[in-house]
Amino acid sequence: DAKTTQPNSMESNEEEPVHLPCNHSTISGTDYIHWYRQLPSQGPEYVIHGLTSNVNNRMASLAIAEDRKSSTLILHRATLRDAAVYYCILNQYGGSQGNLIFGKGTKLSVKP
Amino acid sequence: GAVVSQHPSWVICKSGTSVKIECRSLDFQATTMFWYRQFPKQSLMLMATSNEGSKATYEQGVEKDKFLINHASLTLSTLTVTSAHPEDSSFYICSVAGTTYNEQFFGPGTRLTVL
Repeated sequence: DAKTTQPNSMESNEEEPVHLPCNHSTISGTDYIHWYRQLPSQGPEYVIHGLTSNVNNRMASLAIAEDRKSSTLILHRATLRDAAVYYCILNQYGGSQGNLIFGKGTKLSVKP
Repeated sequence: GAVVSQHPSWVICKSGTSVKIECRSLDFQATTMFWYRQFPKQSLMLMATSNEGSKATYEQGVEKDKFLINHASLTLSTLTVTSAHPEDSSFYICSVAGTTYNEQFFGPGTRLTVL
């Protein structure tokens, strides 16, 4: 699977938007971009995924660059409960399931 | 998405004993489940892929005789850590494979401490 690069940590103020970047310059045409987050002492939680078009759901938005070599997870209004490690992961559609390769992710801190 | 539970949520055991961790898919028939391990301040690492009714597939470097996986039904997979040692102390997390986009739904994790 292609590799992703994320900043180690980011800080945000409560109720402000947060943009979490991810670079994936070696992405293949069949790779989906997945985002998961892990709150302290919990299992990861699925956030959002996309292929080419921008995506929105109740948790977040995913903006995908036109060349798909980077993407940004957008939390529109950060809350204290959004403090977590956010993982950007590439996974092939139709490929062997599993093989979610977790990098180090971005640790998001939210200040009140 | 699928709701996944794990039991126990934490366990402390003596060195040399065996510990069984259960992973249940509460509302989804899971043909495939995954077991991950996470050491403190590190990321998750896939240990094995568990397929219902067949032998698990282990990742390189994971001892299959030490980490026994059984996936006897579509709602239950178990991980047994045999002859546990302090270096096996970790956070063990299971997940259930989704059906379409290879998404996964994770359990809350089990923290194992071996004294």
